Amino acid sequence: DTGVSQDPRHKITKRGQNVTFRCDPISEHNRLYWYRQTLGQGPEFLTYFQNEAQLEKSRLLSDRFSAERPKGSFSTLEIQRTEQGDSAMYLCASSLFGNKTSTFTEAFFGQGTRLTVV
Amino acid sequence: AQSVTQLDSQVPVFEEAPVELRCNYSSSVSVYLFWYVQYPNQGLQLLLKYLSGSTLVKGINGFEAEFNKSQTSFHLRKPSVHISDTAEYFCAVTLWGKLTFGTGTRLTIIP
Repeated sequence: DTGVSQDPRHKITKRGQNVTFRCDPISEHNRLYWYRQTLGQGPEFLTYFQNEAQLEKSRLLSDRFSAERPKGSFSTLEIQRTEQGDSAMYLCASSLFGNKTSTFTEAFFGQGTRLTVV
Repeated sequence: AQSVTQLDSQVPVFEEAPVELRCNYSSSVSVYLFWYVQYPNQGLQLLLKYLSGSTLVKGINGFEAEFNKSQTSFHLRKPSVHISDTAEYFCAVTLWGKLTFGTGTRLTIIP
């Protein structure tokens, strides 16, 4: 397994356009997370899935953002009608989560997708 | 809810000198703690983690951290830094898997 992969690595789009990012997690991981990181800040939680179920969505996430994980494997994050404030690095991470410490792993991150809205 | 405070936004250190990056967390229950490193235009890489057991945890690249429950701290240390340690370091806390990050500390190594 090559780890968490994200596509594309870079995306430049015009304001008002829609964009979609893809994340492929580590295959045996049941959890998948999306974070957003702006310059000089720590990653900010957006949403996460356990298998195909979306368990939590940040209150900071506007209705223009939607994420899916249809078969519990890869995930997509779509931003509609992009705004300049959406410019950021979008990070995906995956982990194995269970009820015991022995079945818990830390989150493994992908390289991120850098979005620039012009 | 959990929160993390990284007191120092930037830390300059001479090469081969020791360094400590500070992290304090807030939580009403037991949590898991992590340190991640981020190199420019890269994702985050795990340095070390505290889940349970020994309060002194060792990680990659010669880093270690000590969990102090009474002081709610998880400071990161390295006895001798190298130019290649120049990066952004993030402390994070989790209760049920979702990570809450600090704002990061930029470590700059001075030759």
